[in-house]
Amino acid sequence: QKEVEQDPGPLSVPEGAIVSLNCTYSNSAFQYFMWYRQYSRKGPELLMYTYSSGNKEDGRFTAQVDKSSKYISLFIRDSQPSDSATYLCAMTGPTDQAGTALIFGKGTTLSVSS
Amino acid sequence: DGGITQSPKYLFRKEGQNVTLSCEQNLNHDAMYWYRQDPGQGLRLIYYSQIVNDFQKGDIAEGYSVSREKKESFPLTVTSAQKNPTAFYLCASRTRDSSYEQYFGPGTRLTVT
Repeated sequence: QKEVEQDPGPLSVPEGAIVSLNCTYSNSAFQYFMWYRQYSRKGPELLMYTYSSGNKEDGRFTAQVDKSSKYISLFIRDSQPSDSATYLCAMTGPTDQAGTALIFGKGTTLSVSS
Repeated sequence: DGGITQSPKYLFRKEGQNVTLSCEQNLNHDAMYWYRQDPGQGLRLIYYSQIVNDFQKGDIAEGYSVSREKKESFPLTVTSAQKNPTAFYLCASRTRDSSYEQYFGPGTRLTVT
């Protein structure tokens, strides 16, 4: 079982739809969770960062963490064509275990049509 | 502007040649990382460095080498020993405080023929 699982999609939605992107993980030591947005041939851009279980909202984006289920989600409200990108979840534990960097999901490709 | 720069954006090399990818940051971050991204594979860690003059292998270090002589610089050399060097290479950095937010550079697309 991989440490982080993320459905690669592709996911296609019409403009204005609510998008739900998800990741599951197996390591209960993970405590820090991030979502990155990556446009084609660009570096990933940090979108959301959460530490605890619950919801965190930033504009049209809501990050949700359920540590009991080892499940994280990113919701995008009123999706726009400019949201078309690959979304990567990432996570890590409370310490730099073996000095590792973040553990990433493989990314979900989202396409929003106008 | 603070950030991470990678150069060049595109790089072409012949098989058998070593090539060095540049990564510079002016964020005063202690830790720096190199990832490789291939279609459908996600990001895989090559090397990381938490302080100057110290670095550790990641999951796929074979065929790669790094140095960390200055805090702001972490160059990656792709050697001729790397069997499949064509990929998108990403450099990242973060502070060593309690925040685990990691920031990425724009990437270098390396093509070896």
